[in-house]
Amino acid sequence: EDKVVQSPLSLVVHEGDTVTLNCSYEVTNFRSLLWYKQEKKAPTFLFMLTSSGIEKKSGRLSSILDKKELFSILNITATQTGDSAIYLCAVEDSGAGSYQLTFGKGTKLSVIP
Amino acid sequence: DAGVTQSPTHLIKTRGQHVTLRCSPISGHKSVSWYQQVLGQGPQFIFQYYEKEERGRGNFPDRFSARQFPNYSSELNVNALLLGDSALYLCASSFSRSYEQYFGPGTRLTVT
Repeated sequence: EDKVVQSPLSLVVHEGDTVTLNCSYEVTNFRSLLWYKQEKKAPTFLFMLTSSGIEKKSGRLSSILDKKELFSILNITATQTGDSAIYLCAVEDSGAGSYQLTFGKGTKLSVIP
Repeated sequence: DAGVTQSPTHLIKTRGQHVTLRCSPISGHKSVSWYQQVLGQGPQFIFQYYEKEERGRGNFPDRFSARQFPNYSSELNVNALLLGDSALYLCASSFSRSYEQYFGPGTRLTVT
């Protein structure tokens, strides 16, 4: 059974801090790892990672995947109050012809002024 | 471009009733997946449809069923509702099965 573990489960930081969110996984037929940001309802797509060691960046957010050690990190630099959200990590399993996502429980990030 | 849309936004049902949730994917997307998210947990996979065929099914009872229409919209049906079915039901669409999935705002189902 596929498994995704995120840490920490919650985090409180001050504006301007840099944070690192962790995601480790076990998956039978790994295809990709995805990061989402969930504020109210709809998870918003951040990154999709398929290759090990290649950093993806978008503004103050960046992510990297280590397929050998089976983990990924999401970095947020110069945090802002608008970064407060739950960050979800998911792995895509391409076994049996489907491409289903298995999610972790998420990391709840709170950024205080 | 419009994102993934879902209806209704909220729904209150009684145990034993049946419910139908609807999802319209992003224009051009052919794959739709359904997820259930209970409070404090990540979304859990229910179904994936691609080109109107079921391509994947999660660990959910047969009370859950879905279908995809020729215009790629989809509906999720849940029969004989239980209190434990109370959750946020999310629909996600992707261009094809191996592309990133984009989520809709969800339907909040409460079973009393």
